[in-house]
Amino acid sequence: DVKVTQSSRYLVKRTGEKVFLECVQDMDHENMFWYRQDPGLGLRLIYFSYDVKMKEKGDIPEGYSVSREKKERFSLILESASTNQTSMYLCASAEPGGRETQYFGPGTRLLVL
Amino acid sequence: AQSVTQPDIHITVSEGASLELRCNYSYGATPYLFWYVQSPGQGLQLLLKYFSGDTLVQGIKGFEAEFKRSQSSFNLRKPSVHWSDAAEYFCAVGALRDDKIIFGKGTRLHILP
Repeated sequence: DVKVTQSSRYLVKRTGEKVFLECVQDMDHENMFWYRQDPGLGLRLIYFSYDVKMKEKGDIPEGYSVSREKKERFSLILESASTNQTSMYLCASAEPGGRETQYFGPGTRLLVL
Repeated sequence: AQSVTQPDIHITVSEGASLELRCNYSYGATPYLFWYVQSPGQGLQLLLKYFSGDTLVQGIKGFEAEFKRSQSSFNLRKPSVHWSDAAEYFCAVGALRDDKIIFGKGTRLHILP
């Protein structure tokens, strides 16, 4: 079974804090993704990584950065958290190719006060 | 550019009734099409996908979807819903040379006992 784990289910941070969200997959997938999910907006891609140290901006990268030092781990970084980054964050992994299934972690619900 | 429209934000059906969730896509070539389900507090799980061949696709949990090129649609159906089907459903579209997929905004399904 493919397993994607995220470091926290719930997180509460203060405005201006640096926030790290960690994602680990155990299926040796090349691709990893970070999405943000907000009510009425669906899933929006923040960043995509297609290999170690390789990344590509998604639709809403502003205010975020990512790190992929090892194949199985993909981190999302909020350099200076703001209240408008309060959201559900979902990580996914997949094999390369547009028809491949994406496997999702359970999500991290982040509240920025 | 690809896009996905799910016209219904919420749908309510009675347990045991049939279900159809609508999805329309915009893409120039043959798309890769997906339906994912998100149960409360969980990540997304693939229900089914279409990329070629038979236009009626069977998925998990008794779901099926039909690709209709002439209508640019990929509607999800189930003949008889169960209370456990209450969840949010996302349609998504992918493309041949792109590892990223585009998600619709989702349809939340409510089940009446």
